[in-house]
Amino acid sequence: TAGITQAPTSQILAAGRSMTLRCTQDMRHNAMYWYRQDLGLGLRLIHYSNTAGTTGKGEVPDGYSVSRANTDDFPLTLASAVPSQTSVYFCASSPGAATGELFFGEGSRLTVL
Amino acid sequence: GQNIDQPTEMTATEGAIVQINCTYQTSGFNGLFWYQQHAGEAPTFLSYNVLDGLEEKGRFSSFLSRSKGYSYLLLKELQMKDSASYLCAVLDSNYQLIWGAGTKLIIKP
Repeated sequence: TAGITQAPTSQILAAGRSMTLRCTQDMRHNAMYWYRQDLGLGLRLIHYSNTAGTTGKGEVPDGYSVSRANTDDFPLTLASAVPSQTSVYFCASSPGAATGELFFGEGSRLTVL
Repeated sequence: GQNIDQPTEMTATEGAIVQINCTYQTSGFNGLFWYQQHAGEAPTFLSYNVLDGLEEKGRFSSFLSRSKGYSYLLLKELQMKDSASYLCAVLDSNYQLIWGAGTKLIIKP
């Protein structure tokens, strides 16, 4: 069972370049999320989508954009990467929006130089 | 502001019992969640408390006191594979998850 698939697993990116992190789920979950995880900090929500066609801003949305064209896919785009965006990015999903039981992808480690 | 506190790191011995505490101050409360995260891996859901009291699930139990803004995760009969970070999270009044920084649990033989 795939669950949530993220790509790439890791990437080194030059500052100023753009990058899209891909996230696909096969559980038909309505809600999807993008988090970043940095050492010493809790998971921080970047953007979320409660259902296909809708998106919302989380705690740290600046420099990131998302789209939710269908139920399965929720890509995260960095338009012009900066070193402070070096982090591990996790995509997650849940059956509905009002729950704390999330299913996470394996993460994408991004280094911006 | 919203805040979740948990110890940064704890050490315990294989076969023993360990209690990981979590205190929270959030805008509203719709449940408290514990996740396990092995190094280099994704967080996985462990337990959920919305009412006061103890929820038991095998070797793991989670306790909640809403009046005290306090929870703990109790791990019994520790095994080496329990070495991981344990994340506490609260679902606030807007149904957003607020995460603690996690407690790294080191198990020694």
